[in-house]
Amino acid sequence: GEDVEQSLFLSVREGDSSVINCTYTDSSSTYLYWYKQEPGAGLQLLTYIFSNMDMKQDQRLTVLLNKKDKHLSLRIADTQTGDSAIYFCAERNSNSGYALNFGKGTSLLVTP
Amino acid sequence: EAQVTQNPRYLITVTGKKLTVTCSQNMNHEYMSWYRQDPGLGLRQIYYSMNVEVTDKGDVPEGYKVSRKEKRNFPLILESPSPNQTSLYFCASSPSSLADTQYFGPGTRLTVL
Repeated sequence: GEDVEQSLFLSVREGDSSVINCTYTDSSSTYLYWYKQEPGAGLQLLTYIFSNMDMKQDQRLTVLLNKKDKHLSLRIADTQTGDSAIYFCAERNSNSGYALNFGKGTSLLVTP
Repeated sequence: EAQVTQNPRYLITVTGKKLTVTCSQNMNHEYMSWYRQDPGLGLRQIYYSMNVEVTDKGDVPEGYKVSRKEKRNFPLILESPSPNQTSLYFCASSPSSLADTQYFGPGTRLTVL
């Protein structure tokens, strides 16, 4: 599938904000998702955004979408140690049917 | 409770010994899919199914088979496993609409010796 790129690692201090970035190449991407994977666990859907939106906020999570630059970000406010996990960006479009095209994941480490 | 279940959760086997990983969902979802997760490669789709008796290849189908005889079940079959199929496998399901999100199972860690 088309490329979805993420930085591999991010380290923040507890209480700070985390920003995880993602870029994608498929201009027909319609839906963009953020999944969280804790150690030894499956994937948990955190939030998603439709391509006709610029921003979506859900409690501590804010998703920003810059469709022109094909850039997606996930901001976690007041980051806690329990937020330490791998975060996957994924995109889905009508060309790929129902398949999710994932990035390789960003490992977030939250230090006390 | 709405969920996707996979069995087994962990499996160690030897090269060439046929195995099946089961996947079941209780949400009446039409779409089901299998992914494998490998370090440095992220998640890649193996096969997917749009509905009963409808299956299609994903990005990495070689060495795998699937079947969809019932809506709730989507087993992944490795006829002759090889060490390069050692991986973490996830099953996922979603309703029919493109707008719907996918729900993932807990994963199956497979080691092929």
